[in-house]
Amino acid sequence: DVKVTQSSRYLVKRTGEKVFLECVQDMDHENMFWYRQDPGLGLRLIYFSYDVKMKEKGDIPEGYSVSREKKERFSLILESASTNQTSMYLCASSRTGGGSYNEQFFGPGTRLTVL
Amino acid sequence: SQQGEEDPQALSIQEGENATMNCSYKTSINNLQWYRQNSGRGLVHLILIRSNEREKHSGRLRVTLDTSKKSSSLLITASRAADTASYFCATDEYGNKLVFGAGTILRVKS
Repeated sequence: DVKVTQSSRYLVKRTGEKVFLECVQDMDHENMFWYRQDPGLGLRLIYFSYDVKMKEKGDIPEGYSVSREKKERFSLILESASTNQTSMYLCASSRTGGGSYNEQFFGPGTRLTVL
Repeated sequence: SQQGEEDPQALSIQEGENATMNCSYKTSINNLQWYRQNSGRGLVHLILIRSNEREKHSGRLRVTLDTSKKSSSLLITASRAADTASYFCATDEYGNKLVFGAGTILRVKS
């Protein structure tokens, strides 16, 4: 069974803290993604990676960075957490396919609260 | 950029009824996908329809795609309480990215 896991389901941090969100997939997928989900806004792409050590900015990268040192692991880093980063964070992975796009597999999400 | 836009924002029906959700998008696509999200969980892929397809079925799900109108619909027949969830359409952009809409919240009352 394919699996994407995230390090925490719930996380509470203080303003200014450095926050690490970890995502691991066991499907040998090339692509990995970080989204944030807010009510009424759907999913917004923060960063994605199509290979080890490669990363590309999504639609809302400000205040975030990422790391992909191994194929199965993609980390999202909040350098200095702020209250407007309180959100649900979702990690996903997918294969790189020739032709049509492949489905994304999602982790269960991390609900981050920044106080 | 938000490409897919779902309609309605929320839908409440009785068990056994059919549920129809619509999605509109703005640019050319290679395919369109539908996902389901149970409350507070990650998304689960339901179905993918390619741009050269007009209709696709999977169990109680029927998806249509009209590229001339840049729209898609998801029909869930004979709904069950377990279908209560949020439903999102997603369209592909360049590379391997997807763009998700804001979603339709479906509530099936038993």
